[in-house]
This record gives sequence, C-alpha cells and structure tokens, in this order.
Amino acid sequence: AQTVTQSQPEMSVQEAETVTLSCTYDTSENNYYLFWYKQPPSRQMILVIRQEAYKQQNATENRFSVNFQKAAKSFSLKISDSQLGDTAMYFCAFSGGGADGLTFGKGTHLIIQP
Amino acid sequence: AAGVIQSPRHLIKEKRETATLKCYPIPRHDTVYWYQQGPGQDPQFLISFYEKMQSDKGSIPDRFSAQQFSDYHSELNMSSLELGDSALYFCASSPGRGPETQYFGPGTRLLVL
Repeated sequence: AQTVTQSQPEMSVQEAETVTLSCTYDTSENNYYLFWYKQPPSRQMILVIRQEAYKQQNATENRFSVNFQKAAKSFSLKISDSQLGDTAMYFCAFSGGGADGLTFGKGTHLIIQP
Repeated sequence: AAGVIQSPRHLIKEKRETATLKCYPIPRHDTVYWYQQGPGQDPQFLISFYEKMQSDKGSIPDRFSAQQFSDYHSELNMSSLELGDSALYFCASSPGRGPETQYFGPGTRLLVL
C-alpha cells in the first residue's frame, strides 16, 4: 500500500512571494502518477499539476512547478508570484495501477497574505 | 469543457434513512471513483468502477453499495445512515484505467441528523 506524507499542516506567505509545499511518498510500484490538487473554501477539488513517474522532466503549469525526485520519493510543489486566489488547502496525491483510488496526504493549508 | 456532474448537491437525511448519490462522468470517461471527505480530513477512497465492473475497493462501509450503469453514470447507495456519514462525497472520472488523471465533480454535501 502507498502512503503520502505532507509535513506542513499550514503555511503563510506574502502576496507575490514564492512558496514550496513538501510531499513525500512511499510505494513499491514503478508506474505511477503524482498530483497536486487545490481545494479552496468552496471545497471543489481542482487539479493543479501532475507528474508521470517515468518522466524525468519536472512538470510545469504557468506559475506552478514541481521538483520530482524519484529516488528520494519526494514531490514538492513550487508556486511562484503567489496570488490571493492561491489561498486554499493543497493535497498531494498518488495514483498507481489499474483503477486504483487516489491516496492523499493530509494536506497543507496555504494562506496568501495581502 | 464538460465536467463531472453530481446530484444532488446538498442532502439532509435522518439517522437510519437511506440516500442515493448520482454521478455523471465526463463524456468518454469509462472509469468512475467515489470518495468521502469528512470535515478537516483528506478525501478517502471508497470504490471505483471501470467499464461497469467494480475495479477497486477502499474503505467503503458494508452499508454502502455502488454500481456503474450502461451509460457510465454511477450511483452510490447508502443505507442505515449514521451521524458519522455526514461528509462531502466526491465522484471523479478518468479515461481508462490508471494511472490516470482523475477529474472531480463538485461533490454532494450530506448531512445526517
């Protein structure tokens, strides 16, 4: 079974700053995907970014990028030029083979201060 | 772009009643997942279906059952509701079997009184 660990329950930064959210995971699988989902106060689950384990290149989506270290089983999310609308709970999630459900971390509550 | 549709969006039930939640996946997505998220918790996987067959099972109580129909929509049936079943229930869909990106619906907020 997989485990996903987010060690930062809450983080707070000023608007326009860069912030990095940490995530580590444990798995014996070789083919898997990793995700960051954002959950704002509306509680909608919004996909931020995904990383396929077989890809060495780190994924990037506009202001969001990841640092994927497969050997270390680490998958951190960097948000550049943070905006007030980035305030949300951020969940790191693991997807393995088949139609397996996602395994989520406990989440990091990110607060962007004006 | 079309998204995952869930109905109802809000539901209030009494203890020991039954509830049925519906999920309509994104067109051409053949895999559906159900999750339960309690207050202040991360989503917990309940069950998934691929091509109308149960694919994976998580922490779904025996009081709950689910199925996927020929049009790929799915229903989660919950019986003998308990106060602890109050939660946000998400449905997600993906194209094909994993690992794949799962796209979430807006959720159904269930309150059991």
